[in-house]
Amino acid sequence: EVQLVESGGGLVQPGGSLRLSCAASGFIFDTYWMTWIRQSPGKGLEWVATINPDGNEKYYLNSVRGRVTISRDNAKKSLYLQMNSLRAEDTAVYFCARGGQPLEYWGQGTLVTVSS
Amino acid sequence: DIVMTQTPLSSPVTLGQPASISCRSSQSLLHSDGNTYFSWLHQRPGQPPRLLIYEISNRFSGVPDRFSGSGAGTDFTLKISRVEAEDVGVYYCMQATQLPWTFGQGTKVEIK
Repeated sequence: EVQLVESGGGLVQPGGSLRLSCAASGFIFDTYWMTWIRQSPGKGLEWVATINPDGNEKYYLNSVRGRVTISRDNAKKSLYLQMNSLRAEDTAVYFCARGGQPLEYWGQGTLVTVSS
Repeated sequence: DIVMTQTPLSSPVTLGQPASISCRSSQSLLHSDGNTYFSWLHQRPGQPPRLLIYEISNRFSGVPDRFSGSGAGTDFTLKISRVEAEDVGVYYCMQATQLPWTFGQGTKVEIK
């Protein structure tokens, strides 16, 4: 059974940093693209970043490029999202998902709240 | 960015009756590789989205055959042949043909 479990969310002040993690199981992790998507009441679902199986090809939403880094550790079957210089508009539930074209399986999500 | 527009935004349906949701993209979703990276997802309250249909008309693993997708270019449709209680929630269309990948605003399906 494919499982994706996110962690690392929480309350952070504007300008702060967080590192989200996604632990994967039930599939051969290092053969799949992986993606982060976020969901907020105001903006709905929003694609954030995608990484290829080898970790050497990455794509970002323009509004997070330069502040966010997607990475993976295939040995640990884990996906990461390092978020810096956080803004109020980054407040959302962050989901990791297997794949990209399409987004096949989603985790339950982790809530990031950026507020002073 | 490609804008995805869904109609209707809300759809009260009767159990056992059909339902249909439309999605229009602001540009053609036909990729240069010949595929159309258009999908439908379903989100129940308190749950993450779940993939229903990919590449316009392919049902994902475990999706009941009462769900079907059709369309081409910029116009796409999701049909539920006979709505069941578990089908309530919000349905999203999504394109992954052109970066940034984008979603529709969602269509809320509820039972009358």
